[in-house]
Amino acid sequence: QQPVQSPQAVILREGEDAVINCSSSKALYSVHWYRQKHGEAPVFLMILLKGGEQKGHEKISASFNEKKQQSSLYLTASQLSYSGTYFCGTDSGSARQLTFGSGTQLTVLP
Amino acid sequence: DVKVTQSSRYLVKRTGEKVFLECVQDMDHENMFWYRQDPGLGLRLIYFSYDVKMKEKGDIPEGYSVSREKKERFSLILESASTNQTSMYLCASSMGGSPLHFGNGTRLTVT
Repeated sequence: QQPVQSPQAVILREGEDAVINCSSSKALYSVHWYRQKHGEAPVFLMILLKGGEQKGHEKISASFNEKKQQSSLYLTASQLSYSGTYFCGTDSGSARQLTFGSGTQLTVLP
Repeated sequence: DVKVTQSSRYLVKRTGEKVFLECVQDMDHENMFWYRQDPGLGLRLIYFSYDVKMKEKGDIPEGYSVSREKKERFSLILESASTNQTSMYLCASSMGGSPLHFGNGTRLTVT
């Protein structure tokens, strides 16, 4: 079963913050986050492993609450280059295959 | 840098045709995947493979088959294409539990 992402779409101005949520009905071993720009392949952002760690890459960070089977992606001080569709991919222990959410379309306006 | 190459960017086929989508990766990755991407549905796993000549069904395998005769190549086969298989198809590869590397996709239209 696919994880549920929310919101489905978000529009913000450059410099604003955004949060994208990913929720699964299954126990999770890890959560992966990817970003896909229009007409391009999805690109890996980060992995969060069981253990509740929080990771960050520049102004993009994420958290993983394994008890709630949820992960959140935080985009701080958004830049125009952050526009795209964000997908979470969940791993329930196979360590190889991911089940992706339906995506969150993020648009950053100048 | 890992490169995953899909043979066609755009493909138009007729209903009932046999269709082959090819994917090649150049990093000796053991795992290869075929996903289908549709608006509002995200990426759905069709088939995957952990090794040569090995395949596993994903979430939506009906109407598809795969072939992996060499480690670097993973083919998706539509035995008899139907209009509901019109979609974007993405191939990906990985090593162990490492991140997926995706190809640029093949947009297939079945008329």
